[in-house]
Amino acid sequence: TQLLEQSPQFLSIQEGENLTVYCNSSSVFSSLQWYRQEPGEGPVLLVTVVTGGEVKKLKRLTFQFGDARKDSSLHITAAQPGDTGLYLCAGAQGAQKLVFGQGTRLTINP
Amino acid sequence: DSGVTQTPKHLITATGQRVTLRCSPRSGDLSVYWYQQSLDQGLQFLIQYYNGEERAKGNILERFSAQQFPDLHSELNLSSLELGDSALYFCASSVGTSLSTDTQYFGPGTRLTVL
Repeated sequence: TQLLEQSPQFLSIQEGENLTVYCNSSSVFSSLQWYRQEPGEGPVLLVTVVTGGEVKKLKRLTFQFGDARKDSSLHITAAQPGDTGLYLCAGAQGAQKLVFGQGTRLTINP
Repeated sequence: DSGVTQTPKHLITATGQRVTLRCSPRSGDLSVYWYQQSLDQGLQFLIQYYNGEERAKGNILERFSAQQFPDLHSELNLSSLELGDSALYFCASSVGTSLSTDTQYFGPGTRLTVL
């Protein structure tokens, strides 16, 4: 059983469209991190959210942490080919546990 | 370039063998983390060391062990290898101790193939 469920697993859209990726769990997390990983490279941290209801923006990317700190979403506005990659969410439970979702493989077509 | 280096880049070995993966953290970082990424399990946290001491333990098998040396580089030892151990192994580093909030910088990974 996956502790963190990411959806969708695969998403292919046209340049300029908007999209949302979801990360859901029945467990509470002390923080939620989002990463992007490109082929042949390690994941790169995009954002960490720690407060329930928190919203963070990174240019065209908007991240939200659920009020109950059990879920999170990543919204991309006007997607560009450079946004293509594997997006991973990771939930931390205290100082000892960090679990990752299975990832969303995003393809933005020119 | 994250500043984290991992060697070797690729490793091919046979079942039952033992291998050692090496990681050098970014300059100034005291924590080192090890992860395994496979197609079926995704990315899994294995273990964290901070300034030479084990700090947090994830889904690390008993056949696997790690250590962090006084110069802060770290090694991950995998023994009695099985086909299912084939995966990408990442090392990451951070300045502080928090698994929850510290920014981790990932290395390029070591691709292990067990035949």
